[in-house]
Amino acid sequence: NAGVTQTPKFQVLKTGQSMTLQCAQDMNHEYMSWYRQDPGMGLRLIHYSVGAGITDQGEVPNGYNVSRSTTEDFPLRLLSAAPSQTSVYFCASSLSGVGTDTQYFGPGTRLTVL
Amino acid sequence: GDSVTQMEGPVTLSEEAFLTINCTYTATGYPSLFWYVQYPGEGLQLLLKATKADDKGSNKGFEATYRKETTSFHLEKGSVQVSDSAVYFCALSARTNAGKSTFGDGTTLTVKP
Repeated sequence: NAGVTQTPKFQVLKTGQSMTLQCAQDMNHEYMSWYRQDPGMGLRLIHYSVGAGITDQGEVPNGYNVSRSTTEDFPLRLLSAAPSQTSVYFCASSLSGVGTDTQYFGPGTRLTVL
Repeated sequence: GDSVTQMEGPVTLSEEAFLTINCTYTATGYPSLFWYVQYPGEGLQLLLKATKADDKGSNKGFEATYRKETTSFHLEKGSVQVSDSAVYFCALSARTNAGKSTFGDGTTLTVKP
């Protein structure tokens, strides 16, 4: 099992550029989510999905889009990058999304927007 | 809304010292409580969890007890090692919102030999 994988590990963008952060899991988990981690602020939920074809907004969704066409993949799209989106992005998955489930995290993507 | 408050860091200890990292929460209902650990350059991984009041989670010498009366889930370890140096996050997941987790700000622990 590879667990949760994310690509790329590092990315530098210019303001206004778009890109997609990839996330995949091989554990057949129904629930997947994207968080951003900023210094001293913990993790904040961007978007989440409770299954293929179903997505919803988290705490900080503006400027990001997601889709979930398969159980395995949950890409995060930045439509027009802004310096405020400089952060470390983590993808996570859990078996069913119920509150007792453990979340499994990917290694993260460090994004810098100039 | 739900919130998690962790003691402010960073925390620096000598090897074999006793560790406590405080965590208190605000939530409706009966959330599950978690401690995740993040080693340098890596993602978060579960350290321990407790899913109901008075449960004690434990792993790798770390312990935390779910205290509903004080809304707390403090992390403790009797004797820390240099390899315990990491960032520790307290988190909660409410039972009724599809498992969306709320995280504390994290506490950086450095253990010196």
